[in-house]
Amino acid sequence: DQQVKQNSPSLSVQEGRISILNCDYTNSMFDYFLWYKKYPAEGPTFLISISSIKDKNEDGRFTVFLNKSAKHLSLHIVPSQPGDSAVYFCAASEGHGNKLVFGAGTILRVKS
Amino acid sequence: SAVISQKPSRDICQRGTSLTIQCQVDSQVTMMFWYRQQPGQSLTLIATANQGSEATYESGFVIDKFPISRPNLTFSTLTVSNMSPEDSSIYLCSVVPAPSSYNEQFFGPGTRLTVL
Repeated sequence: DQQVKQNSPSLSVQEGRISILNCDYTNSMFDYFLWYKKYPAEGPTFLISISSIKDKNEDGRFTVFLNKSAKHLSLHIVPSQPGDSAVYFCAASEGHGNKLVFGAGTILRVKS
Repeated sequence: SAVISQKPSRDICQRGTSLTIQCQVDSQVTMMFWYRQQPGQSLTLIATANQGSEATYESGFVIDKFPISRPNLTFSTLTVSNMSPEDSSIYLCSVVPAPSSYNEQFFGPGTRLTVL
């Protein structure tokens, strides 16, 4: 039973444009959501997070939107840069400091 | 954040043998976890490493196969026992640095294990 789903295995975007990565979840007990970026041969790097009490969180070029009623979140990267090319994982947890449940990941390719 | 190192970074092992992976953090942390990423798949939690007590394992993972130690707040080991080719994965430790309003987990660089 996949509680966190990233239905797009890959996404290709032109440099300077917006990248939108999507994530859906089924467990209504999740109250914290995170995005990680992963390069080959490295561990995942934390990007941005959002609590269920918010619907938007912004950090530089990265914005995460949360739609609780739809159980959907998205990561926007504006403007996209070639260095953003990586695998992006959506993750969710119940409560503070608890285990993360990860989606399958989306490969983002930013073309220059 | 925290600086996390793992040893070894990679290894190639024969089936039936065991490998112990070390995770070292540069500061005391509250929570430590062990994850596995099988080829082409997402990260799956193996267990929560509890300081001074037995680890808490997720469904599908057992202590006999993946014994875990956490003797203090900066160090943990994961052993992959009696290995088979299906154990070929990247093994990652992660930490939650300190009690706070944030829930971010920070990951080590991973250990790439190949079992022949």
